[in-house]
Amino acid sequence: KAGVTQTPRYLIKTRGQQVTLSCSPISGHRSVSWYQQTPGQGLQFLFEYFSETQRNKGNFPGRFSGRQFSNSRSEMNVSTLELGDSALYLCASSLYGEETQYFGPGTRLLVL
Amino acid sequence: GQNIDQPTEMTATEGAIVQINCTYQTSGFNGLFWYQQHAGEAPTFLSYNVLDGLEEKGRFSSFLSRSKGYSYLLLKELQMKDSASYLCAVRDPDSNYQLIWGAGTKLIIKP
Repeated sequence: KAGVTQTPRYLIKTRGQQVTLSCSPISGHRSVSWYQQTPGQGLQFLFEYFSETQRNKGNFPGRFSGRQFSNSRSEMNVSTLELGDSALYLCASSLYGEETQYFGPGTRLLVL
Repeated sequence: GQNIDQPTEMTATEGAIVQINCTYQTSGFNGLFWYQQHAGEAPTFLSYNVLDGLEEKGRFSSFLSRSKGYSYLLLKELQMKDSASYLCAVRDPDSNYQLIWGAGTKLIIKP
């Protein structure tokens, strides 16, 4: 079974631009969560989707948004990028009702 | 609010045993996770504790004490490939049970 895939793997943007990141969960997994990881901060929860519905949202500004499609693939968008948005963005999928999350390799975003 | 504390970095010798501690403060408890993350890679699931006590899984064991808000990950017969960050996470009832993560413990294994 293929694992969680994320595209692109690396991205360089400038302040003020917007970016869209994509995540394809493991086949059969309908729950997708997004995290931001920065050195020394650990993983910060962004949002969680299940069956195209946002079930939970972390404490991030409205510039961060996401969605999930009928095939469970998910995207997250960050508008008006700031330098502090430079981070590794991780996506994780899980089977509904199961606790274990399976992470993708992440997208490393650098904002200049 | 919620808080999770882990040591920032630990060093151990190949073949030895190391214990990585995690303390948490949440208004309730719904399970504690340990994940391993090698540099530049995705976190991978190690263990999930809901009840008090020790759970052993090969060279890795995880312990939980809910009354003390405390867990540890025990790694035995350390190998060089165990050099990684170890992340502790709990679900926070005050935030609709979203996962709250510690900053991680970077484990360095020396020959």
